[in-house]
Amino acid sequence: SQQGEEDPQALSIQEGENATMNCSYKTSINNLQWYRQNSGRGLVHLILIRSNEREKHSGRLRVTLDTSKKSSSLLITASRAADTASYFCAPSVSGGYNKLIFGAGTRLAVHP
Amino acid sequence: KAGVTQTPRYLIKTRGQQVTLSCSPISGHRSVSWYQQTPGQGLQFLFEYFSETQRNKGNFPGRFSGRQFSNSRSEMNVSTLELGDSALYLCASSLGSNEKLFFGSGTQLSVL
Repeated sequence: SQQGEEDPQALSIQEGENATMNCSYKTSINNLQWYRQNSGRGLVHLILIRSNEREKHSGRLRVTLDTSKKSSSLLITASRAADTASYFCAPSVSGGYNKLIFGAGTRLAVHP
Repeated sequence: KAGVTQTPRYLIKTRGQQVTLSCSPISGHRSVSWYQQTPGQGLQFLFEYFSETQRNKGNFPGRFSGRQFSNSRSEMNVSTLELGDSALYLCASSLGSNEKLFFGSGTQLSVL
């Protein structure tokens, strides 16, 4: 399977703490993207990291990519209750145009 | 700029019927992708269109089809509905290839 697989499946933390989610994949990629979904709504794009990049920041988000290990991580710093959502990593397969392969996601709960 | 618009938001059908879902991409976006989301299978890629041409297709039966019009709007059709087709169908648009996707809020299809 080319699927992105997130770990852990669920994460429960207190406001102000950091949340780290990991992702592994199995094929060559053009880029890897992270999305957030709030209970049954559409997905919101968070960050895109290209295969020749190792780290990327966006506000409180930090993403790393290790193509040799076929893995990525998403760090959310100083979490807020509004960060409660499901987070998905989505590798964009080489030659697949805009075909993204989503994993099962990490359900993050941030408690006030 | 308006986001990706999907209609209808909710739909209830019975087994054996067919259904057509509509997606209007962000203005200027030429790529439209469709995904199916279910609790059991997660997010699965259906197909992607670019300038009225299907560039990529997921592993779904032929009952699932789509098309894209010259104005980039897209429709997907499911014929002979089965109970297992109950899902959230998400449409996403993008400027080109290997770029971030902008998702609509989805169409929640229930097959009775």
